[in-house]
Amino acid sequence: ETGVTQTPRHLVMGMTNKKSLKCEQHLGHNAMYWYKQSAKKPLELMFVYSLEERVENNSVPSRFSPECPNSSHLFLHLHTLQPEDSALYLCASSQGGGTAARDTQYFGPGTRLTVL
Amino acid sequence: AQKITQTQPGMFVQEKEAVTLDCTYDTSDPSYGLFWYKQPSSGEMIFLIYQGSYDQQNATEGRYSLNFQKARKSANLVISASQLGDSAMYFCAMREGQYGGATNKLIFGTGTLLAVQP
Repeated sequence: ETGVTQTPRHLVMGMTNKKSLKCEQHLGHNAMYWYKQSAKKPLELMFVYSLEERVENNSVPSRFSPECPNSSHLFLHLHTLQPEDSALYLCASSQGGGTAARDTQYFGPGTRLTVL
Repeated sequence: AQKITQTQPGMFVQEKEAVTLDCTYDTSDPSYGLFWYKQPSSGEMIFLIYQGSYDQQNATEGRYSLNFQKARKSANLVISASQLGDSAMYFCAMREGQYGGATNKLIFGTGTLLAVQP
């Protein structure tokens, strides 16, 4: 595997279900991100982890719970979601830490989530 | 506050022609970075090109070039010799602080849908 991978690619869940999205990066990066992409809206940054510590949480409802067990893996745990949470959830990683003049974020293919 | 504006919701271009996708930005920070990403229908955001606010020359990457006009706060993407595979959504994004940082927060525009016609 190369780059950033995400599983599952598609997920349909009911409002009472609990599920998790997984992201893995194979780039040796130190920072990982969750974004939400809803129809006709700009990408919304949800969470940022740097060296496995959460450094940003953009007022995301508590029904979304991130977890970063190590610098290569990032999870998004979902419970009691609402239909308006249906969206494409994108994971990204970057070198982070201000070590490069151009610290580019590289994205995974996303998980398309539908909440019924 | 940071803001990215992409005023073209959709564009058509003939195959093999060049196309310019517009992006304007607003920031009070003198140090920032600008990015363009491509998102095909498959969903993955693909990094195309980067321009730093202090870079003296416009960035180029293969068929992609960035027309950076700092005084106008615009960073238009130019795609030369369009190909059918270029059909996708294109997003402009900005990060304050050219040298990154612990959060490396990106602000995205709403995107432009490009359709390349044979």
